[in-house]
Amino acid sequence: EAGVAQSPRYKIIEKRQSVAFWCNPISGHATLYWYQQILGQGPKLLIQFQNNGVVDDSQLPKDRFSAERLKGVDSTLKIQPAKLEDSAVYLCASSLERLAGLYEQYFGPGTRLTVT
Amino acid sequence: RKEVEQDPGPFNVPEGATVAFNCTYSNSASQSFFWYRQDCRKEPKLLMSVYSSGNEDGRFTAQLNRASQYISLLIRDSKLSDSATYLCVVNMEGLGGGYNKLIFGAGTRLAVHP
Repeated sequence: EAGVAQSPRYKIIEKRQSVAFWCNPISGHATLYWYQQILGQGPKLLIQFQNNGVVDDSQLPKDRFSAERLKGVDSTLKIQPAKLEDSAVYLCASSLERLAGLYEQYFGPGTRLTVT
Repeated sequence: RKEVEQDPGPFNVPEGATVAFNCTYSNSASQSFFWYRQDCRKEPKLLMSVYSSGNEDGRFTAQLNRASQYISLLIRDSKLSDSATYLCVVNMEGLGGGYNKLIFGAGTRLAVHP
């Protein structure tokens, strides 16, 4: 079974520039997540989609971050304009509907963003 | 107070040692609990779920104390390959209900040496 795909794997940009990340979840997974993981911290949820609808974007800095999941499959996360503090790994994850009390999320390899 | 707190470590232990990690969570309404493992510069992967009765998977034992809002992970007979960061994860119902979200701790680093 193919895992969660993300691209690019690495990105270096200057502050105030724009950047976009792409994610393709595991086939059949209805729920898709974008996390930000700053060095030395755990992943922090930015946005959660159920099919193509947003169920939680409470921690998404909406003045500069946006995300969409067209047709309930692939998703893109955009930052415009980037700040130095956006330097982090951006992880995409997907999961099936919650079953039997378990709630496993499968993560992609992440995109490592450096803002200079 | 952080929603999920862990000792960041690092824990430096020799091969064969037993090591225990602790985690506390602040929301008593949390529904389920997990340990994820994250290798250096890799993505997190589910290690094991944590059940109220405690559960074991080979050399790994997880325990939950709901009254104290405390989760633990015990690793016996440590191997070099156990070197990683261990993330304590709590699953809770999202605001407004109807969905669940995972809250990750910052992780505890384990380094196993020969």
